[in-house]
Amino acid sequence: DAGVTQSPTHLIKTRGQQVTLRCSPKSGHDTVSWYQQALGQGPQFIFQYYEEEERQRGNFPDRFSGHQFPNYSSELNVNALLLGDSALYLCASSSDDLSYEQYFGPGTRLTVT
Amino acid sequence: DQQVKQNSPSLSVQEGRISILNCDYTNSMFDYFLWYKKYPAEGPTFLISISSIKDKNEDGRFTVFLNKSAKHLSLHIVPSQPGDSAVYFCAASEKQGGSEKLVFGKGTKLTVNP
Repeated sequence: DAGVTQSPTHLIKTRGQQVTLRCSPKSGHDTVSWYQQALGQGPQFIFQYYEEEERQRGNFPDRFSGHQFPNYSSELNVNALLLGDSALYLCASSSDDLSYEQYFGPGTRLTVT
Repeated sequence: DQQVKQNSPSLSVQEGRISILNCDYTNSMFDYFLWYKKYPAEGPTFLISISSIKDKNEDGRFTVFLNKSAKHLSLHIVPSQPGDSAVYFCAASEKQGGSEKLVFGKGTKLTVNP
């Protein structure tokens, strides 16, 4: 039973560029949440997708957007990258009836130079 | 403002002894609390959760205690093993718009010495 997978593992981008990160949820899960973890901090909630729609959003600017596909996989897009966007981006999946119990992928380490 | 606080950045214990990790929260609307363990270069691994209507939940060597009046929870690991060495995150869940979002503390690095 595959857990949550994310790609790529690492990414280096330049300020002003755009990036797309990908996530496949754990088998049987239909809800995907994205988190940003800066160094020395806990993960911070970006947004959550269910039934291909953004259901809830944290305190992040519109430069952060996402998408969920019919197979429940998801993408996180960040436009106009800033140096401060350098972080570990974590995807978590859950089932809608137990949406608090979230299982995380290994993350994508984004470095913006 | 930080709604979930882990005030101890690090904790060191001897193998076989008890590890106690603490967490405080401010939002009385949180309905579930969770503990995650994180190794370097990996995502957080779910350990154990507790509903806000319970005061204790146990799973093997891990027990979580919730004191709602004090807005405090703790994770007990007995006995501690060297493989438990990791960063432990406390998280709280609040239902908004029909879904739950997690709010995390900054983590406590646990070192279990052989």
